[in-house]
Amino acid sequence: NAGVTQTPKFQVLKTGQSMTLQCAQDMNHNSMYWYRQDPGMGLRLIYYSASEGTTDKGEVPNGYNVSRLNKREFSLRLESAAPSQTSVYFCASYRAYEQYFGPGTRLTVT
Amino acid sequence: GQQVMQIPQYQHVQEGEDFTTYCNSSTTLSNIQWYKQRPGGHPVFLIQLVKSGEVKKQKRLTFQFGEAKKNSSLHITATQTTDVGTYFCAEERYSTLTFGKGTMLLVSP
Repeated sequence: NAGVTQTPKFQVLKTGQSMTLQCAQDMNHNSMYWYRQDPGMGLRLIYYSASEGTTDKGEVPNGYNVSRLNKREFSLRLESAAPSQTSVYFCASYRAYEQYFGPGTRLTVT
Repeated sequence: GQQVMQIPQYQHVQEGEDFTTYCNSSTTLSNIQWYKQRPGGHPVFLIQLVKSGEVKKQKRLTFQFGEAKKNSSLHITATQTTDVGTYFCAEERYSTLTFGKGTMLLVSP
């Protein structure tokens, strides 16, 4: 089992460019999450999906969109990247009461 | 929204010393979880506390949930260099997590 995988590991974008961060889990979990982590800020929830076909906003959804493509995959899209979106992005899935995190994507927007 | 305050932000100890991080809320917490993140890594689940006054131990780690369910703590006895990382508390409510800002622990040999 690979657990939760994320691609890419690193990305540099210019302001205004778009990109999609990919996340997949092979644990057959229903719920999946996207977080961003900024220095000194902890992890903040961007969007989550309780099950295939449903998505909900978290604490900081502005500037992002998500797609729950199927049970395994949950992608995060930045339509027009801004420097304020420079961050480390973590995807997670959930079973029982435990969240399993992916390795993260380090995104820099210049 | 619900805020979970965590202190201290940072602590540097000598190997063998004890360490404690505290998590506080102005309102009653649903469930509390604790995660550890090694430098450059991702958060890893440590434990969940559910009941008022609950105490759980994992080897040198002791987790407590306050009687009023408004605070929680993680205590590490006799720290080791492998304990280095950032420790986060998070309130779990309806399958979503609200994280504290974390306590970064540095352990010098």
